[in-house]
Amino acid sequence: AQTVTQSQPEMSVQEAETVTLSCTYDTSESDYYLFWYKQPPSRQMILVIRQEAYKQQNATENRFSVNFQKAAKSFSLKISDSQLGDAAMYFCAYYSGGSNYKLTFGKGTLLTVNP
Amino acid sequence: NAGVTQTPKFRVLKTGQSMTLLCAQDMNHEYMYWYRQDPGMGLRLIHYSVGEGTTAKGEVPDGYNVSRLKKQNFLLGLESAAPSQTSVYFCASTPPGASSHNEQFFGPGTRLTVL
Repeated sequence: AQTVTQSQPEMSVQEAETVTLSCTYDTSESDYYLFWYKQPPSRQMILVIRQEAYKQQNATENRFSVNFQKAAKSFSLKISDSQLGDAAMYFCAYYSGGSNYKLTFGKGTLLTVNP
Repeated sequence: NAGVTQTPKFRVLKTGQSMTLLCAQDMNHEYMYWYRQDPGMGLRLIHYSVGEGTTAKGEVPDGYNVSRLKKQNFLLGLESAAPSQTSVYFCASTPPGASSHNEQFFGPGTRLTVL
């Protein structure tokens, strides 16, 4: 079974600084997708960034980028120029194609942004 | 488009009572999911559906039943609520096919407390 591990229950960063959130996963499959979701205090789950395993290029969305290391099964999220609005719980999630259909989530990392 | 909506947003039940959570989506998505979120546990899949009239068990299905009589609705039922079912429940949906990139769209969540 696939597992997703986020080893940092909590992280903090100064406003305008850069922070990296870690995620590792375990799978025997070669084709899959990885996601980072943000959950602010409003509880709404918001997709931050997505990475297809077959793509070697790391995904980037404005201030958010990933470091995808397929061989190491590592998928970290880098937030540059952190803003107060980035404070939230961040979840790493794994999806495999085929008949599985489900997302497997890590336990989350609570990010605090200090002014 | 309203996206994914959930009814109700909050509910308090007594042990042994029953209730149904309603999830509705207006995006014509084929796949729908019910997750529960507990502190320190991330999101865990309860049941899912890959189309109208079909349902399947997820990671933590015990104590829950689901129905997908209409494509746009996915109902989650608790026949006899237990305190262990106190949680925040999320519904999600996704269209099939490569164009979706397997992104799941989440509802705002339902906070359920069982006393």
